[in-house]
Amino acid sequence: QKEVEQNSGPLSVPEGAIASLNCTYSDRGSQSFFWYRQYSGKSPELIMFIYSNGDKEDGRFTAQLNKASQYVSLLIRDSQPSDSATYLCARSWGGSYKLIFGSGTRLLVRP
Amino acid sequence: GAVVSQHPSRVICKSGTSVKIECRSLDFQATTMFWYRQFPKQSLMLMATSNEGSKATYEQGVEKDKFLINHASLTLSTLTVTSAHPEDSSFYICSARESGTSVWADTQYFGPGTRLTVL
Repeated sequence: QKEVEQNSGPLSVPEGAIASLNCTYSDRGSQSFFWYRQYSGKSPELIMFIYSNGDKEDGRFTAQLNKASQYVSLLIRDSQPSDSATYLCARSWGGSYKLIFGSGTRLLVRP
Repeated sequence: GAVVSQHPSRVICKSGTSVKIECRSLDFQATTMFWYRQFPKQSLMLMATSNEGSKATYEQGVEKDKFLINHASLTLSTLTVTSAHPEDSSFYICSARESGTSVWADTQYFGPGTRLTVL
């Protein structure tokens, strides 16, 4: 069983809509979660991280963590064609600095 | 801040040769760096964890004698692919951990990656 699961997509949304990306995990141990964006042929770039239950907002992005249900999500408001990329969810465990990545969800924002 | 560089960005070599890839943290000190490999349309696979001044820790299935890692300073880690073969062709990406205010806030910043093609 994979530790971090993501729907591979593609998730297609029209420009200006809210894109909702989801990630589930299997390890209940205390941990932090990270969302990275990766454009084709490029390396991942950090969008934001979250480690407390609830919502965390940064500009057009909102990360949501629900430890009881073991899922973390990323909402992108006012989606733009430039947001079209693969979004990687990753988790780390408090005692380890290693990141475990999901397989990523490809997002396509239609103009 | 938190910029990580990698060199070279692209390398093509003949089978049997060795290739060295450098990873540098430009504006912060990184006691821990990581090396990943990514095949087309797949996610990142962690190869090894590199700690400054000590031996690297390799993930299961990664040959330590083939992928030599050296982390000689707080800003530089190198990955050497020895006796490269076509199956080693991949996108190699390093990351550096920047210490946060707590262990929960530690984040990894990625270099731009090195695309290795072995002929």
